Amino acid sequence: EAQVTQNPRYLITVTGKKLTVTCSQNMNHEYMSWYRQDPGLGLRQIYYSMNVEVTDKGDVPEGYKVSRKEKRNFPLILESPSPNQTSLYFCASSRTATEQETQYFGPGTRLLVL
Amino acid sequence: QKEVEQDPGPLSVPEGAIVSLNCTYSNSAFQYFMWYRQYSRKGPELLMYTYSSGNKEDGRFTAQVDKSSKYISLFIRDSQPSDSATYLCAMTEPGPKKLSFGAGTTVTVRA
Repeated sequence: EAQVTQNPRYLITVTGKKLTVTCSQNMNHEYMSWYRQDPGLGLRQIYYSMNVEVTDKGDVPEGYKVSRKEKRNFPLILESPSPNQTSLYFCASSRTATEQETQYFGPGTRLLVL
Repeated sequence: QKEVEQDPGPLSVPEGAIVSLNCTYSNSAFQYFMWYRQYSRKGPELLMYTYSSGNKEDGRFTAQVDKSSKYISLFIRDSQPSDSATYLCAMTEPGPKKLSFGAGTTVTVRA
C-alpha cells in the first residue's frame, strides 16, 4: 500500500529537549516536505527536499532542521523545542517537485512542548 | 493579507443537502487548484485537482475554478454524514513551487 508514515504520532516533551520526528514513504518519490498545521493558519511549509541531499527552507523554518540522506526518509529535527512549536506536523511526498498537485500526506504528529 | 482566504465555518447541513465551499486567492500565477479532505486526527487526503479554469466532476463532488474572479468552489451533492470533515483548498503555480493552503472549512452533515 502506497503510504507516508510518521513516528511518533503523539509526543509530549519539555522545552529544550531535542527530538526527532521520522517520516518515510514507500512510493520512490523524489519530493518530500514538512508542514505544520495551526488553527486559523492552515498548513505552512517548514522545509522541503527536491531529492536526496537537496533540502531548502519553506515559510517557517526557524527552530527546525531536516536531512535527506535516503530517498525514502525525511526526518524533522527540533534541536531545542519551545512552546511555540506546539503544533500538528505533517510530512508529505510527491513524485517530483512539479507534481505537488498530487501530494500524499502522512497521518500527522501531534506535538506538545511544555 | 493571506494569499489564500477560506471561510473556516463551521458549516452544518442536513443529510442530502448540497454543501458549497469556496476559496479566494490573490496570486494570479496560480494554475493548479486542489481540494483536500481531512478527517479528525488524520492527514489531508487529496479529493481532486483542477488545472486552470473550468469545472471537474468526480462522483458527488464538483470543483469549479474562476480565474477571472480568483475564486474556486467545491460542491458536494447528496451529502452524507461520512462527508463530515475539514475541507482544505490549496493552489500552486506551475513548476516546482510550493502549495499555498487555505485555513480549512469544517463541515458537519447531520443524519
